[in-house]
Amino acid sequence: AQSVTQPDIHITVSEGASLELRCNYSYGATPYLFWYVQSPGQGLQLLLKYFSGDTLVQGIKGFEAEFKRSQSSFNLRKPSVHWSDAAEYFCAVGAVDSNYQLIWGAGTKLIIKP
Amino acid sequence: NAGVTQTPKFRVLKTGQSMTLLCAQDMNHEYMYWYRQDPGMGLRLIHYSVGEGTTAKGEVPDGYNVSRLKKQNFLLGLESAAPSQTSVYFCASSGQGGGYTFGSGTRLTVV
Repeated sequence: AQSVTQPDIHITVSEGASLELRCNYSYGATPYLFWYVQSPGQGLQLLLKYFSGDTLVQGIKGFEAEFKRSQSSFNLRKPSVHWSDAAEYFCAVGAVDSNYQLIWGAGTKLIIKP
Repeated sequence: NAGVTQTPKFRVLKTGQSMTLLCAQDMNHEYMYWYRQDPGMGLRLIHYSVGEGTTAKGEVPDGYNVSRLKKQNFLLGLESAAPSQTSVYFCASSGQGGGYTFGSGTRLTVV
């Protein structure tokens, strides 16, 4: 079955510390992978996406993610978090042959300690 | 600014009332989606459309209907609202690249 797992419901990180949010997927076709961020009371905003090519993808707001096919993972990283990064982060996977319908993870809520 | 616009932003309905949520996009995207977001349940797909005049059921379609008469608009209807439909509703659109653009959401309360 197709699925996306974000193992951490909540993560607490000190401001200025590094961040890694985990995402694992199970998908039959060659996947397209996405990370979205949702600030409180807002819609979801695309952070970055992977379609093909370089497995290290750069996104907005200083985020990056690495696609590891052997581990079926697409973890999101940031070297130094800011208080404004506090939000919920969603990983999603899709494919061309699924009309780009995305399978969504349940989300990870990022809490920043001052 | 280009994007996805949802109206209304907030609505309170009484059980049994009907309403229509409007989603409009100005990016000429082929694909449009309606999701609901509930605490602890992530995003669940209600209905989607792969082009003008087409609609299809998603994961949780019961109690909802949709129409896509024009490419830029995707309407979500609730014929007889129930408290279980209290949620935040998001519309999204995507082109051939697959990345979604989301609207800012509609917070619906059914009492």
